Amino acid sequence: EIVLTQSPATLSLSPGERATLSCRASQSISNYLAWYQLKPGQAPRLLIYDASIRATGIPARFSGRGSGTDFTLTISSLEPEDFAVYYCQQRARWPPLTFGGGTKVEIK
Amino acid sequence: EVKLVESGGGFVQPGGSLRLSCAASGFTFSSYAMTWVRRAPGTGPEWLSTLSDAATSTYYADSVRGRFTISRDNSKNTLYLQMNSLRAEDTAVYYCAKNLYDTSGPVGSFDYWGQGTLVTVSS
Repeated sequence: EIVLTQSPATLSLSPGERATLSCRASQSISNYLAWYQLKPGQAPRLLIYDASIRATGIPARFSGRGSGTDFTLTISSLEPEDFAVYYCQQRARWPPLTFGGGTKVEIK
Repeated sequence: EVKLVESGGGFVQPGGSLRLSCAASGFTFSSYAMTWVRRAPGTGPEWLSTLSDAATSTYYADSVRGRFTISRDNSKNTLYLQMNSLRAEDTAVYYCAKNLYDTSGPVGSFDYWGQGTLVTVSS
């Protein structure tokens, strides 16, 4: 099973600041990584797939990069609606499909 | 507009059963693999099961294999999850999710999710 480790667990930032979230895989997963945003009471939202492709309707302030074992999600300038929990997920080797432990982006 | 609406959650005693449904609309349901994912309180999402578009291939997480059964009715645009022998650790919000790619593409990224249905297993 591929384990995804996200860091930091919590990111305390102010609106307008840049957020950098990390996801590390226990073995190479090429670029088969997605990022999701979760908010309480809402459906999870796909942000990035295949490591760097923004999903339909996702603002340009969200970007993803990486390949192999190290990946990054960057939010260039935080908007109030971006404060949420973010998860990475791999589809390189499955079953099982696996998710990371999450990074909570909170208002400082 | 793509829409996924889960139903069937509720309160059940350990050892009991529930059947979840996911009503899909806004896309050609029969052309996409579908997946169930859950999120227990305070934890990240956990993949449970995936069913191919034509229901010819099924995949399960070890934690639910033998207890849960995924199925679909393409004529009704509905995905199901039959959950038997429920345990306290199955308490979670259960989501259905649509595969990003249709039949011609890889399985395992999800572009639309429902809002989830809560399952509580407790005595």
